[in-house]
Amino acid sequence: GENVEQHPSTLSVQEGDSAVIKCTYSDSASNYFPWYKQELGKGPQLIIDIRSNVGEKKDQRIAVTLNKTAKHFSLHITETQPEDSAVYFCAASSTNAGGTSYGKLTFGQGTILTVHP
Amino acid sequence: DSGVTQTPKHLITATGQRVTLRCSPRSGDLSVYWYQQSLDQGLQFLIQYYNGEERAKGNILERFSAQQFPDLHSELNLSSLELGDSALYFCASSVEARGDTNSPLHFGNGTRLTVT
Repeated sequence: GENVEQHPSTLSVQEGDSAVIKCTYSDSASNYFPWYKQELGKGPQLIIDIRSNVGEKKDQRIAVTLNKTAKHFSLHITETQPEDSAVYFCAASSTNAGGTSYGKLTFGQGTILTVHP
Repeated sequence: DSGVTQTPKHLITATGQRVTLRCSPRSGDLSVYWYQQSLDQGLQFLIQYYNGEERAKGNILERFSAQQFPDLHSELNLSSLELGDSALYFCASSVEARGDTNSPLHFGNGTRLTVT
């Protein structure tokens, strides 16, 4: 099955700096890669996603890049703010034996991002 | 607010007992997913239902079962509970539009289960 590795496990930055989180996946048939932000006491919240037919996607201060050949994708947050502090998860869609995705996601282990004022 | 409602928020029970976790998906979403989150295992996919039918199964124990009802709400039943079942249990839903089986998942705020 799919395996997703996420790095770093913790990331500490100063307000205004950029933050980058990287993930690699194992299943070359995976074609959907969302990123989630989880705050204390809440469920994961989708912040951005990318599909395998796109190399980069941007939404204000957040961008995601995908390298299908190398099977890795990254989250970039620019001009970080204290409210960006949270746990961030990458994920990849898993496929069944026939290669069909059913929306089942395999998650990375998470990155604890701390933004210091 | 994701629109996905999970009850109860907290559950404390003893080993050997049985509990039921409930999830109401976002309005219009046909797919429901259950995930378990623990410190050592991270977010693990348990099971998915689509419009009342089981669609995919992950690392779900035989002591656990789920169903999706005609009104699309879902229940996760955990029986013969063990200490190791203590975790956060999340429900997520997606619209899964025709031909697009990778619709975004929207998560509820979870049920924290503590087994003593």
